[in-house]
Amino acid sequence: QLVVTQSPSASASLGASVKLTCTLTSGHSSYAIVWHQQQPEKAPRFLMKVKADGSHTKGDGIPDRFSGSSSGAERFLTISSLQSEDEAVYYCQTWGSDVSVLFGGGTKLAVL
Amino acid sequence: QGQLVQSGTEVKMSGASVKVSCKASGYSFTGYYIHWVRQAPGQGLEWMGWLNPKSGGTKYAQKFQGRVTMSRDTSTSTGYMELSRLTSDDTAIYYCANAPWWELTSWGQGTLVTVSS
Repeated sequence: QLVVTQSPSASASLGASVKLTCTLTSGHSSYAIVWHQQQPEKAPRFLMKVKADGSHTKGDGIPDRFSGSSSGAERFLTISSLQSEDEAVYYCQTWGSDVSVLFGGGTKLAVL
Repeated sequence: QGQLVQSGTEVKMSGASVKVSCKASGYSFTGYYIHWVRQAPGQGLEWMGWLNPKSGGTKYAQKFQGRVTMSRDTSTSTGYMELSRLTSDDTAIYYCANAPWWELTSWGQGTLVTVSS
């Protein structure tokens, strides 16, 4: 059964880079995922879709500072040149074999 | 990807039902699934189900089977989510989002539903 795992928290300094990880259970390494960003008190926002081959497709208006990549069953979101507005919870989302949708628990990113 | 605008805040008594609307604009309503996701206070995102606006077909998360109904009105490009037999555990922000299939790409602003006993 597919499970989506994310670290609960991460932190990085203003202007630095950070790489967030979304891990799929073994046997599901071919699955694509989507990254969403939820800033405090706001609705989530689609950032990008990341495929197993590492290619990614970003949503409209998403800055170049955001990029995606893959390695095996891991999917990554890298944010460079961190800004204060990047402080948010980042959710990984994929789909299940029973045509359902699955979310990871989210990673709360603190920008120091 | 268009825009989704949801109905306003609801306050309900325990045992009642709530119906939240999600009006779509700026894209072909029947070309994208409508998903419903909720978020309890201080918690993560919880998927509730999807509606195919073209066919009316639905898929509900097992947790909500028998208690949730998703529907649509294609004449007004509006999707609906009705949740019955409310308890305090249903207090949450409810979001709609559209998707080509499973990848949610555009989100509504959210509707706060508060259930009081």
